[in-house]
Amino acid sequence: DTEVTQTPKHLVMGMTNKKSLKCEQHMGHRAMYWYKQKAKKPPELMFVYSYEKLSINESVPSRFSPECPNSSLLNLHLHALQPEDSALYLCASSQGRRETEAFFGQGTRLTVV
Amino acid sequence: GENVEQHPSTLSVQEGDSAVIKCTYSDSASNYFPWYKQELGKRPQLIIDIRSNVGEKKDQRIAVTLNKTAKHFSLHITETQPEDSAVYFCAAIPFTGGGNKLTFGTGTQLKVEL
Repeated sequence: DTEVTQTPKHLVMGMTNKKSLKCEQHMGHRAMYWYKQKAKKPPELMFVYSYEKLSINESVPSRFSPECPNSSLLNLHLHALQPEDSALYLCASSQGRRETEAFFGQGTRLTVV
Repeated sequence: GENVEQHPSTLSVQEGDSAVIKCTYSDSASNYFPWYKQELGKRPQLIIDIRSNVGEKKDQRIAVTLNKTAKHFSLHITETQPEDSAVYFCAAIPFTGGGNKLTFGTGTQLKVEL
């Protein structure tokens, strides 16, 4: 199994809503990532979890709250988002050592209205 | 932090021709350089990678070269086919204590015309 699975595929939410994005992998990877990708731009790193601990937070606003319940799951909790937060949110995982391939999920297309 | 520049931003070639995409990086401690292909509406997928102890790596029609002294690396696609049309991102991983902090280049939109 070389899949990283993200749910939902699409999400439309109002600025006062609370929602969560979910990511799951069963490759035994110990590092998991959230990226944000705007149209025609490269993915931008948001958070890195290494061995279930938050190791990198790229100065992301607090309206985005990551959670890693176990080594296979990664959540991104969303609250009070702005329209400019509309983007493709990509989850990825890797073995956790440097210089190893990152596998990406298919992403959640988020629209904030 | 690491900064990766990528050129060109768009590239149009005729089917069967070669395509070359170039990247430069700033952090001399970076030593892993993957290339990702992203088709419209799909996830980025690794197509080839290279580590700093290697100067060149080839996989069928795709090759990557690395010049650590000059801090640049390039993707070469030979005998291009329409299905090669996509956005290509180079990336580098700077030294960090936790996980792989991929820093992407700005992307190259490759169009292979019949």
